[in-house]
Amino acid sequence: AQSVTQLDSHVSVSEGTPVLLRCNYSSSYSPSLFWYVQHPNKGLQLLLKYTSAATLVKGINGFEAEFKKSETSFHLTKPSAHMSDAAEYFCVVSDSYNTDKLIFGTGTRLQVFP
Amino acid sequence: ETGVTQTPRHLVMGMTNKKSLKCEQHLGHNAMYWYKQSAKKPLELMFVYSLEERVENNSVPSRFSPECPNSSHLFLHLHTLQPEDSALYLCASSQTVRGQVNTGELFFGEGSRLTVL
Repeated sequence: AQSVTQLDSHVSVSEGTPVLLRCNYSSSYSPSLFWYVQHPNKGLQLLLKYTSAATLVKGINGFEAEFKKSETSFHLTKPSAHMSDAAEYFCVVSDSYNTDKLIFGTGTRLQVFP
Repeated sequence: ETGVTQTPRHLVMGMTNKKSLKCEQHLGHNAMYWYKQSAKKPLELMFVYSLEERVENNSVPSRFSPECPNSSHLFLHLHTLQPEDSALYLCASSQTVRGQVNTGELFFGEGSRLTVL
């Protein structure tokens, strides 16, 4: 069975410093992996997705993630944090391409200090 | 109009009330979903409708009753709820083709914050 673990419930960074949000997954097959972001009082929005093409995936707002099969990881990074990046981030795994089989992580809240 | 619209945004109800949450999508998608988001817990998939047919019901108590009259509208009827049902209820939509690969991208509404007293 597939599962996803977000290693940090909270991450705090200063504006202009790098962001690293960690995600490990467990999957029986070649997984599809996603990162979603949820700003306060908003719904979730897709940041980026990996579906067995290039292992380094670029998303919106300068975020990117690297699929590392040997480490079963899909960490989200951004070189320089912006105040508007403060939000909740969800790592998501799916063993198939069927959307109704997505498994969400518990989320990482990112705080950005001026 | 935003892609997925949910009403009401906030709802407070007693345990004996009957209310409904409404979701409307303007994206031309053919699948719609209800998720429950509680603090400190992963998103829980409640119901999935694909091509207006319910394809998944994840052991949700019968006090929650979904309805999908067409591919653009989805309702969640609520009756005799419990305080532990207080949560953010998120509606989502996607374009899916039976038996074939889809993008795996869900488009979410902003949610209905439900408080059960």
